[in-house]
Amino acid sequence: GAVVSQHPSWVICKSGTSVKIECRSLDFQATTMFWYRQFPKQSLMLMATSNEGSKATYEQGVEKDKFLINHASLTLSTLTVTSAHPEDSSFYICSARLLAGGRSSYEQYFGPGTRLTVT
Amino acid sequence: AQKITQTQPGMFVQEKEAVTLDCTYDTSDQSYGLFWYKQPSSGEMIFLIYQGSYDEQNATEGRYSLNFQKARKSANLVISASQLGDSAMYFCAMRDEGGYQKVTFGIGTKLQVIP
Repeated sequence: GAVVSQHPSWVICKSGTSVKIECRSLDFQATTMFWYRQFPKQSLMLMATSNEGSKATYEQGVEKDKFLINHASLTLSTLTVTSAHPEDSSFYICSARLLAGGRSSYEQYFGPGTRLTVT
Repeated sequence: AQKITQTQPGMFVQEKEAVTLDCTYDTSDQSYGLFWYKQPSSGEMIFLIYQGSYDEQNATEGRYSLNFQKARKSANLVISASQLGDSAMYFCAMRDEGGYQKVTFGIGTKLQVIP
């Protein structure tokens, strides 16, 4: 089946520093990847939609300059949290959709998530 | 705008029994997809089942079935023969099938299977 990986799985950083999270589709190509944030005991909230070779589309209320997204290839998207603060502490999950059609094209495959703690 | 409503914050079910998790949705789109995901304590999101808005038959995947009632805008998940490993958070989600195909998630239902 389609596998999406995220690195790192967890990270602790100091306030004011930047953190990069990678999302990779391991065995398929994904023109579109999505970045979600999940606070404890809450649902997933879409932050942005990342398309290979173009600028990401951010959801309302998500700061573009704070959450930098780069989708450099069909298998890699990165989310950089710049000047992180304690309120950015959350569980960040990416997902990717298959490029090709067929039954599986409607499925989004999720990465295992990255737990960010900002101290 | 799309909206997913899950009204059951928590559910208990006896092992080997069936359980229904409720989900209602609201959208102005004609073409959309409905999903259910399972999120165990480890945090990963596991795809369970998909129903397209134009699918006439209810989707089934093993022990999971989706009770799709389009007129009522509901997409309940039925888990048959519950197992202890089914204990997890369950999220209902909807995707518009146009544009970037953004997915909107419900708030989730925590299911606990009792031995």
